[in-house]
Amino acid sequence: RKEVEQDPGPFNVPEGATVAFNCTYSNSASQSFFWYRQDCRKEPKLLMSVYSSGNEDGRFTAQLNRASQYISLLIRDSKLSDSATYLCVVIANTGGFKTIFGAGTRLFVKA
Amino acid sequence: NAGVTQTPKFRVLKTGQSMTLLCAQDMNHEYMYWYRQDPGMGLRLIHYSVGEGTTAKGEVPDGYNVSRLKKQNFLLGLESAAPSQTSVYFCASSYLQRYNEQFFGPGTRLTVL
Repeated sequence: RKEVEQDPGPFNVPEGATVAFNCTYSNSASQSFFWYRQDCRKEPKLLMSVYSSGNEDGRFTAQLNRASQYISLLIRDSKLSDSATYLCVVIANTGGFKTIFGAGTRLFVKA
Repeated sequence: NAGVTQTPKFRVLKTGQSMTLLCAQDMNHEYMYWYRQDPGMGLRLIHYSVGEGTTAKGEVPDGYNVSRLKKQNFLLGLESAAPSQTSVYFCASSYLQRYNEQFFGPGTRLTVL
């Protein structure tokens, strides 16, 4: 079982739609959580950190459920420019800190 | 402020050849990382460094070596390239490992024939 699992998609949604991605993690020692965005043939870039109480940044909302060991990303009012791969990232304390990247979920937003 | 830069951007090697990938950052970050990214898989950590003069193995270190002689530079070496090392290589840096954002370079696309 992968330490961080994501639905690879692709998710194909029309402009203006709301779309949600989930990411599950297996290490109960996981302490920090992030969503990164990666455009085609580009480097990953931080989209947002995920806090225990949940957090929102414009059209993007991130949630953490420690009991069920998953994090989620909700995108409202999708734009064409949201088309990208979204990477779930978890940092676990396993005697030293270990950063684990999910394989990513691909999103296509169409006009 | 260039952030994280990588050279070269593309490279084609023959099996058995060697090469060095250079990563440079101008953000005065202590931590630097080398990852490889393959289709259908997440980024996998090859080696990392927690400061000048230090290196440590990551998840997939075999076939690679690294050096961090200067704080701003992190070099990744392939001594004898193999087709299994065909991948996209990303360098990243961060101020601290635990909570902070990692900043990535643009990547190096390496093909080993």
